[in-house]
Amino acid sequence: DTGVSQNPRHKITKRGQNVTFRCDPISEHNRLYWYRQTLGQGPEFLTYFQNEAQLEKSRLLSDRFSAERPKGSFSTLEIQRTEQGDSAMYLCASSLTYLDRGADTQYFGPGTRLTVL
Amino acid sequence: QQPVQSPQAVILREGEDAVINCSSSKALYSVHWYRQKHGEAPVFLMILLKGGEQKGHDKISASFNEKKQQSSLYLTASQLSYSGTYFCGTEILDSWGKLQFGAGTQVVVTP
Repeated sequence: DTGVSQNPRHKITKRGQNVTFRCDPISEHNRLYWYRQTLGQGPEFLTYFQNEAQLEKSRLLSDRFSAERPKGSFSTLEIQRTEQGDSAMYLCASSLTYLDRGADTQYFGPGTRLTVL
Repeated sequence: QQPVQSPQAVILREGEDAVINCSSSKALYSVHWYRQKHGEAPVFLMILLKGGEQKGHDKISASFNEKKQQSSLYLTASQLSYSGTYFCGTEILDSWGKLQFGAGTQVVVTP
């Protein structure tokens, strides 16, 4: 068990460019979450998957954001036409949780820090 | 839907106690507590479930008042390693499976 990994750890991009982040969850975990965290704030929920199914996406999330988990293992988060307001830490977390139960212990990855110039 | 945490920050000397509160305006199914050190990922501490079940850390305790939709985290006999920012994540009854996190409580433990 190597924990949740995220790549890249840092990304600097220019406004208007597209970026993609990857998250590899703990291998047996079926649930995967994406959060965004800005300085001085707690993680803000973006979306989550149960295996390959995307169960919910935050209503606050712009259409420029999309996430996939094609085979129920790793996930990608893409931001199109980045804006300076997208600068943040993007955290991924995974858990072993079943649909008939609520949220269980989430294990967080180290995050990807995005800076949009 | 974001829970409200208090205080925003607390400074302790080693060995002192502190309480961090988390309150929600919505009916809760569970409350999750995490600690995050600067530049690191949040680390799980404890889950408190509606109905009284708890899972988590041996040396940190917490309570969950279902009627008031509040939870408290108790840092007892604090150690230097307790320093960090503590977040509560709440799971509300009509939105199972996802957490909304508070803004955090910064804890500094000094020698």
